[in-house]
Amino acid sequence: EAGVVQSPRYKIIEKKQPVAFWCNPISGHNTLYWYLQNLGQGPELLIRYENEEAVDDSQLPKDRFSAERLKGVDSTLKIQPAELGDSAVYLCASSLNLGHNEQFFGPGTRLTVL
Amino acid sequence: AQSVTQPDIHITVSEGASLELRCNYSYGATPYLFWYVQSPGQGLQLLLKYFSGDTLVQGIKGFEAEFKRSQSSFNLRKPSVHWSDAAEYFCAVGETSYDKVIFGPGTSLSVIP
Repeated sequence: EAGVVQSPRYKIIEKKQPVAFWCNPISGHNTLYWYLQNLGQGPELLIRYENEEAVDDSQLPKDRFSAERLKGVDSTLKIQPAELGDSAVYLCASSLNLGHNEQFFGPGTRLTVL
Repeated sequence: AQSVTQPDIHITVSEGASLELRCNYSYGATPYLFWYVQSPGQGLQLLLKYFSGDTLVQGIKGFEAEFKRSQSSFNLRKPSVHWSDAAEYFCAVGETSYDKVIFGPGTSLSVIP
């Protein structure tokens, strides 16, 4: 069974540029999560989806971050414009549904903003 | 608000020695508790979880954890550490099965031969 797929694995951009991350969850998983992980810290939830619906986006900085999961399968997280402080690892995870907390994580995208 | 603390930022143990990683949480009821492991450049992998029942739970890779309500703790243990156990370990807590999970800051484990 394929795991959670994320691309790209690494991204280096100049500040003020846009950037997008893609995630394909495990087949059949209805819930998808995007996390931000700063160096030496635990993951922090940015947004979680149940199918196409964002059920918790309270931690998403909506002035520059956006996310979508149009068909309830794969998802894209975008930052526009990127700032130096956005340098981090962006993790995607999925679970069967909201009531099933066991999350399966992708390898993450390491973003460096110069 | 929920919080998770992992008092040890970094731990070094000798291969074959026993291991205990500490985790404390702040929440009134019995939360949903998890331990995840993250190897360099990898995503997190679930080691074990506690929802209810027996307070000693067994996980993968020979790990176990014990829930102690009186101490608000969920410490992770392994009787004999292998070099491949070197990684970052995260404790996490969820208020309910539908609630988001809050991760602790992590403990970095180094294993010396």
